[in-house]
Amino acid sequence: DTGVSQDPRHKITKRGQNVTFRCDPISEHNRLYWYRQTLGQGPEFLTYFQNEAQLEKSRLLSDRFSAERPKGSFSTLEIQRTEQGDSAMYLCASSLGGTGAYGYTFGSGTRLTVV
Amino acid sequence: QKEVEQNSGPLSVPEGAIASLNCTYSDRGSQSFFWYRQYSGKSPELIMFIYSNGDKEDGRFTAQLNKASQYVSLLIRDSQPSDSATYLCAVMGTGNQFYFGTGTSLTVIP
Repeated sequence: DTGVSQDPRHKITKRGQNVTFRCDPISEHNRLYWYRQTLGQGPEFLTYFQNEAQLEKSRLLSDRFSAERPKGSFSTLEIQRTEQGDSAMYLCASSLGGTGAYGYTFGSGTRLTVV
Repeated sequence: QKEVEQNSGPLSVPEGAIASLNCTYSDRGSQSFFWYRQYSGKSPELIMFIYSNGDKEDGRFTAQLNKASQYVSLLIRDSQPSDSATYLCAVMGTGNQFYFGTGTSLTVIP
């Protein structure tokens, strides 16, 4: 296990469709994070899990967004009824330990384009 | 007010020079500070973290932290063209999520 894996790398979808992204963290990392990044901006926090528990969600995470991490391993992020404003890079990251004090390891991201 | 502020640049330095990147943050209770490098179209890559006031050196990189001034900086010595990227400052919030700045674009001119 060499890093955080995200799938797919790219997704083009029509407005109103649902999309689901997957993240496989580094196996020994118990914390998993989802961020969203738009062009020219830094990553914005969406949500994070410790093991299977979703501990925090950003106000950015509207009712159309849902994330799961069954069994504390991989995670999925689903966006329902996509809007053009959802177009962004969705980044997953994982960390070891309770504080993330050594920083995150990011995956390569899923670039979503809503047309 | 943004949690973390950076000068978006672009910052251009000649090869071999020192590049200086700056960041300020608003949460005085923040304890952990990070610098990430992001190449165009790629995900962020951690290059340094710092927790204590003062300097921390790692190879050509030096992170500087001044909690009283709520200021973090990154110095890159002997800048190389391969250092050309966007540098993101990140501060850990009380909820263990990171707040990122918008990044500073650095170009090292050969």
